[in-house]
Amino acid sequence: QKEVEQNSGPLSVPEGAIASLNCTYSDRGSQSFFWYRQYSGKSPELIMFIYSNGDKEDGRFTAQLNKASQYVSLLIRDSQPSDSATYLCAVGRDSWGKLQFGAGTQVVVTP
Amino acid sequence: IAGITQAPTSQILAAGRRMTLRCTQDMRHNAMYWYRQDLGLGLRLIHYSNTAGTTGKGEVPDGYSVSRANTDDFPLTLASAVPSQTSVYFCASSESPGRNEQYFGPGTRLTVT
Repeated sequence: QKEVEQNSGPLSVPEGAIASLNCTYSDRGSQSFFWYRQYSGKSPELIMFIYSNGDKEDGRFTAQLNKASQYVSLLIRDSQPSDSATYLCAVGRDSWGKLQFGAGTQVVVTP
Repeated sequence: IAGITQAPTSQILAAGRRMTLRCTQDMRHNAMYWYRQDLGLGLRLIHYSNTAGTTGKGEVPDGYSVSRANTDDFPLTLASAVPSQTSVYFCASSESPGRNEQYFGPGTRLTVT
């Protein structure tokens, strides 16, 4: 079992709709959770981070964390073609800053 | 513009050769990291450094070494490259180990033949 799991996709989303991405993790001691966006051929770009249970909103993005169920999700509202990318979930397990990354979910927003 | 730079952008290297990938950040971040990204395997941590003068091993350290002589630079060395080290290498940094928000450099695409 991988420590951080994501559906690989592709997740096809109509323009203007909500994209919902999920990520589950195996280590109950995980403390920090991140979402990165990666365009093809580019480096990962941090778009959201969350440390406490509940929701965190930033613009069109909402991260949701449920530590009891060991999942973190990302919602993208009013999806745009520019949101087409691979989204990486990352989980921090300890105070040393090391992150475990999922393999990523590819999102395709169709006009 | 503040950020992380990596060099070279890409490199083709003969097996057995020595290679150093360079990483420099100007954000005065204490912690730095090296990852490799391979199709289907995601990002995997090679080595990290929480502060200048200290380094640690990540998930896949074999065949790689690092040094952290100062805050800004974190070079990654392949002592004797092998084809399985063909990958895209990303350097990242964070303000401190306790604040895990990591910011990535543009990457180095390395092909070992």
